[in-house]
Amino acid sequence: GAVVSQHPSWVICKSGTSVKIECRSLDFQATTMFWYRQFPKQSLMLMATSNEGSKATYEQGVEKDKFLINHASLTLSTLTVTSAHPEDSSFYICSASGGRATSGRTDTQYFGPGTRLTVL
Amino acid sequence: LAKTTQPISMDSYEGQEVNITCSHNNIATNDYITWYQQFPSQGPRFIIQGYKTKVTNEVASLFIPADRKSSTLSLPRVSLSDTAVYYCLVGPDAGNMLTFGGGTRLMVKP
Repeated sequence: GAVVSQHPSWVICKSGTSVKIECRSLDFQATTMFWYRQFPKQSLMLMATSNEGSKATYEQGVEKDKFLINHASLTLSTLTVTSAHPEDSSFYICSASGGRATSGRTDTQYFGPGTRLTVL
Repeated sequence: LAKTTQPISMDSYEGQEVNITCSHNNIATNDYITWYQQFPSQGPRFIIQGYKTKVTNEVASLFIPADRKSSTLSLPRVSLSDTAVYYCLVGPDAGNMLTFGGGTRLMVKP
């Protein structure tokens, strides 16, 4: 249970193009989804938090007009990198939370496999 | 948000037990402790979560002392495939466990 998928797993694009990454919770309804970025040999950095049907909340320093996030349903969130440039090349990872706690535990993030974006 | 501190790296050999400690001196009363494992070019994978004392599952054990200012992830009889980065996070819920520290890079040698 608690499977999260991402598509595509990797993408190569030319500078100036836009790229859309999909994140899906396959076997649970995700009330909240999170988008992270990870550069080589570094830790995950939170970019934004999105709740179904509402606008995403972006972390400081993340341009909301460049990284468009849509969370249209309880199982799907998309991240669109607009006018991508080489410095946007990174590993983008989404996670989803169902907001439900079980005995002895609180709700947990479940991560997708990540999307490797390379901008030429 | 409670800040966590972990060793940057650890080395071990196949078949040994590995213990990775995480310090979280400012943990709040309603915070839980969650550990994730990440392989290169993959998303983190949930390992274990606990609030106090000891939690065990099919993969690992989590030991939390009474003051909860630290926790220890215990991996029994590691194999080469356990080579990964391990992250410790604390927070009351998923929406408040979003700050990843540097993690601990575990290298298991034959």
